Amino acid sequence: QVQLVESGGGLVKPGGSLTLSCAASGFTFSDQYMTWIRQAPGKGLEWISFISGSSGDIYHADSVKGRFTISRDNSKNSLYLQMNNLRVEDTAMYFCVRPVDSSVPYWGQGTLVTVSS
Amino acid sequence: DVVMTQSPLSLPVTLGQPASISCRSSQSLVHKNGNTYLSWFHQRPGQSPRRLIYKVSNRDSGVPDRFSGSGSGTDFTLKISRVEAEDVGVYHCMQGTHWPALTFGGGTKVEIK
Repeated sequence: QVQLVESGGGLVKPGGSLTLSCAASGFTFSDQYMTWIRQAPGKGLEWISFISGSSGDIYHADSVKGRFTISRDNSKNSLYLQMNNLRVEDTAMYFCVRPVDSSVPYWGQGTLVTVSS
Repeated sequence: DVVMTQSPLSLPVTLGQPASISCRSSQSLVHKNGNTYLSWFHQRPGQSPRRLIYKVSNRDSGVPDRFSGSGSGTDFTLKISRVEAEDVGVYHCMQGTHWPALTFGGGTKVEIK
């Protein structure tokens, strides 16, 4: 079955950097779009980044554009999110998510990023 | 971006009674291919969201038939015919029509009275 396991979260100071990883299994990773969705504590869900299977199409939400970069390594069945110039408002649980037919049925358990001085 | 607005914010319900959550979008969710990509999710504290409904009214595998989705255009509803204790948590709607910029409603917290 589809498994998505995030790692790399932690505590970082404002202006700092962090890279999240997502290990995927149970499907042909290279064929699939992937996305990152986050959820600030006690808040709703926010889509932030999307990447196609070949990495030919990449999109970022305006809230993270220029600071976050999504990437993937199909040889390792892994998805990444490089986060630079982090802000307090980036504090959230970050979910690795596999979209299917314009919906998002498959979610990882999430990794928590806390940005605080 | 398409704005998704859910109501109510909080929904106290009695066990065994029905419950209904509304989700409205700022633009039509009818895709040029004729499909409407509106999904519903349930999230318990400390857990990832679980999808219940996709394309307005299609239940995911394993989702009890007391959950139903309906609606069209910009106006959608999730109904629980008889609320059970395990149904507590936060419900989110999401549009995927205006892919890849997925957008979610603010969430509705369902709790037992």
